[in-house]
Amino acid sequence: SQQGEEDPQALSIQEGENATMNCSYKTSINNLQWYRQNSGRGLVHLILIRSNEREKHSGRLRVTLDTSKKSSSLLITASRAADTASYFCATSLSGSARQLTFGSGTQLTVLP
Amino acid sequence: DGGITQSPKYLFRKEGQNVTLSCEQNLNHDAMYWYRQDPGQGLRLIYYSQIVNDFQKGDIAEGYSVSREKKESFPLTVTSAQKNPTAFYLCASSITGKSLLNYGYTFGSGTRLTVV
Repeated sequence: SQQGEEDPQALSIQEGENATMNCSYKTSINNLQWYRQNSGRGLVHLILIRSNEREKHSGRLRVTLDTSKKSSSLLITASRAADTASYFCATSLSGSARQLTFGSGTQLTVLP
Repeated sequence: DGGITQSPKYLFRKEGQNVTLSCEQNLNHDAMYWYRQDPGQGLRLIYYSQIVNDFQKGDIAEGYSVSREKKESFPLTVTSAQKNPTAFYLCASSITGKSLLNYGYTFGSGTRLTVV
């Protein structure tokens, strides 16, 4: 079964609005990562948050992590049409830094 | 520029054929991974390798085989035993050890395999 599950599965917003995606997971983690995938392309690493961190920023991205609720959120501020893509969370499990487990993704559409 | 290259971009397989997908990286990463992605779904791990001449099965290894004879290369063979091979295949690489706790994966651009 998937370790990470994103919510919502699809999100459509207007350009300039903020987009928030959520990820829930089941077991203890070392870190949680967010990736972006444009249609038919590979994944691109966006941001990593360690289990002892609660919030992290990178440009227009803000990630939060709540280990007590086993959940994370990705906020994209002032969205652009070019942000249209699928976004995946991935978890690195405690005791195993060897592989990532990916969720099923959120498809974000930013309308111009 | 350092990166990870997958080839071919598109591949067509006839029933009963084995096909090999190429993955090459020049990032000096020790670890390499193969994932399968079906439409509208997440990534599922097929095989991974932490070091040359060693590899481990992932969650869906049946019908697939790999080799890791060189650090830079991690080819994936889709055998005739894989009954539903049509999918998007992604190769990734990473550093290993405790440093992996602070870094993500680098992905190739993928190979789309279709059975005809």
